[in-house]
Amino acid sequence: SQQGEEDPQALSIQEGENATMNCSYKTSINNLQWYRQNSGRGLVHLILIRSNEREKHSGRLRVTLDTSKKSSSLLITASRAADTASYFCATARNQAGTALIFGKGTTLSVSS
Amino acid sequence: GAVVSQHPSWVICKSGTSVKIECRSLDFQATTMFWYRQFPKQSLMLMATSNEGSKATYEQGVEKDKFLINHASLTLSTLTVTSAHPEDSSFYICSASFPGDYNEQFFGPGTRLTVL
Repeated sequence: SQQGEEDPQALSIQEGENATMNCSYKTSINNLQWYRQNSGRGLVHLILIRSNEREKHSGRLRVTLDTSKKSSSLLITASRAADTASYFCATARNQAGTALIFGKGTTLSVSS
Repeated sequence: GAVVSQHPSWVICKSGTSVKIECRSLDFQATTMFWYRQFPKQSLMLMATSNEGSKATYEQGVEKDKFLINHASLTLSTLTVTSAHPEDSSFYICSASFPGDYNEQFFGPGTRLTVL
């Protein structure tokens, strides 16, 4: 079962622009994670934000979490062509040993 | 970081045959492993949770007799697709978590299954 939705489903931007993707979820969580997946490849873990955190940075990535709205956003600044990929949010519930539940993903296309 | 491998990375088989996919945690012991399936241009869908030494827990709609999961050791879980059909063609991804740590999971590179 999928936890939530990402929007937009697809995003096309030019190199140098910022890309913002949003994720909503339904149940209480322990943490929320963002992953990147290049076409036909495996997942790359980008960032994890815990439920008691509101914002986190990693390089050109900025993630926010609003537990009252059950939503998160991923901002990629100064995008590059190499950022072209699908991006998924995934949530982990407050229970040990439970799986991550993935959103539907946003397909990002960065053109040079 | 922790490394999870999958074998094979891709496999092509004929309808009616069975295919086994291995998921190994290379540098840590994983009491829990998870199997996901991903159809083209879609997200990852959880198929089952595999606990070492016990039966797997399957998600609703996943046939346990078709997708056999065995987690015989703390570093190995296997998924066997029995009597494969073309609609089973998909990308299968496993993940593993540290014992007692449910915050991070480590994903394998995936296995592309094509059933002719």
